[in-house]
Amino acid sequence: DIVMTQTPLSLSVTPGQPASISCKSSQSLLKSTGKTHLYWYQQRPGQPPQLLIYEVSNRFSGVPDRFSGSGSGTDFTLKISRVEAEDVGIYYCVQSTQLPLTFGGGTKVEIK
Amino acid sequence: EVQLVESGGGLIQPGGSLRLSCAASGFTVNSYHMSWARQAPGKGLEWVSVIYTGGSAYYADSVKGRFTISRDNSQNTLYLQMNSLRPEDTAVYYCARGSGSVTAPYYWGQGTLVTVSS
Repeated sequence: DIVMTQTPLSLSVTPGQPASISCKSSQSLLKSTGKTHLYWYQQRPGQPPQLLIYEVSNRFSGVPDRFSGSGSGTDFTLKISRVEAEDVGIYYCVQSTQLPLTFGGGTKVEIK
Repeated sequence: EVQLVESGGGLIQPGGSLRLSCAASGFTVNSYHMSWARQAPGKGLEWVSVIYTGGSAYYADSVKGRFTISRDNSQNTLYLQMNSLRPEDTAVYYCARGSGSVTAPYYWGQGTLVTVSS
């Protein structure tokens, strides 16, 4: 199984300041199709997860442009350019390059 | 609008069985890869199972041989039959839909809570 490792475990951010979350996979997520199946989800308290970023760097419909994803191979990053109060929650990276789908352990984002 | 509504959760004794349903609207369940994932109380997310558009199904090792994923195209509903339930199966169970040929969840339901306890 591909192991997904997220850091840090938690972040406390002042509104308006940037935040960055790292996700590393135990093997390359690049498929022979040329696509890299790395996704980012936000889970607000008491809510189901919501897709933020698909295939490393594509924002899903309705996602604010302060969210961006980057990376390749085994190293990926989610950045929030200016954190807002509504960004509180837990963020997960997920790979679907290979079954089983595997999730990172999550990064909790709090507001200072 | 894509909607997924899970039902069927509840309190069940260890060793018991439960069937979860996920009613879909805004699309047809046989046109997308459909998954179940779960989240134990206060824990992270865990993928459980997927059924591909062609009908092939795959499971996490933790549920293989005990859980069965299926779909009813006439009801436009996804199911998860859970047998031989264990306390460690206690979780909120989410159904989710992929996009195109992608397995990863693009849309999630609100979830249904399964509690396995005597």
